Amino acid sequence: DTEVTQTPKHLVMGMTNKKSLKCEQHMGHRAMYWYKQKAKKPPELMFVYSYEKLSINESVPSRFSPECPNSSLLNLHLHALQPEDSALYLCASSRGQGGADTQYFGPGTRLTVL
Amino acid sequence: QKEVEQNSGPLSVPEGAIASLNCTYSDRVSQSFFWYRQYSGKSPELIMSIYSNGDKEDGRFTAQLNKASQYVSLLIRDSQPSDSATYLCAGDENSGYSTLTFGKGTMLLVSP
Repeated sequence: DTEVTQTPKHLVMGMTNKKSLKCEQHMGHRAMYWYKQKAKKPPELMFVYSYEKLSINESVPSRFSPECPNSSLLNLHLHALQPEDSALYLCASSRGQGGADTQYFGPGTRLTVL
Repeated sequence: QKEVEQNSGPLSVPEGAIASLNCTYSDRVSQSFFWYRQYSGKSPELIMSIYSNGDKEDGRFTAQLNKASQYVSLLIRDSQPSDSATYLCAGDENSGYSTLTFGKGTMLLVSP
């Protein structure tokens, strides 16, 4: 089973709202990722958690705040977003234990900021 | 200079033909390679991974890796209209956890 789940599927929010995206996997993977993807572009890495510790933050604005409560869960807290933040937000996970590693993507959350 | 290069296409092939998707890469990402298929509005789905020089076959899909030429390709035999999608090539350094470098993706259109 290589399933990564994400909720919600769609989210519409105003620029003053606070919302959260959730991601879950039960494959025992120790690395989890957030990506942002705009139309006709490849996924753009935002954050990497390895063994529940933030390992990579690709200079993402502070209005995006990641959280990894445990090895199965990954959240992305959103606050004071801008319309240009509208995109498909993808979560992925991988074994994260060295050597060849494969990322599996969740279905994504389509975010619209009004 | 980008580290994983793909022709953005579209690549148009008739149903039943072989579709050939190509990707070149720089040294930094020269360990593992992945092909993901992405339908419009959906998330990337892993099609193939390849780590060693040569060919790897899975059903209608064959991945080919040539590390000397820094070239990786995906062949799709007996192409179907349902194969119409964007195909993302990605390389990884194998440095603990995965750190994928994506190409821009090639759009494939298979006409009935």
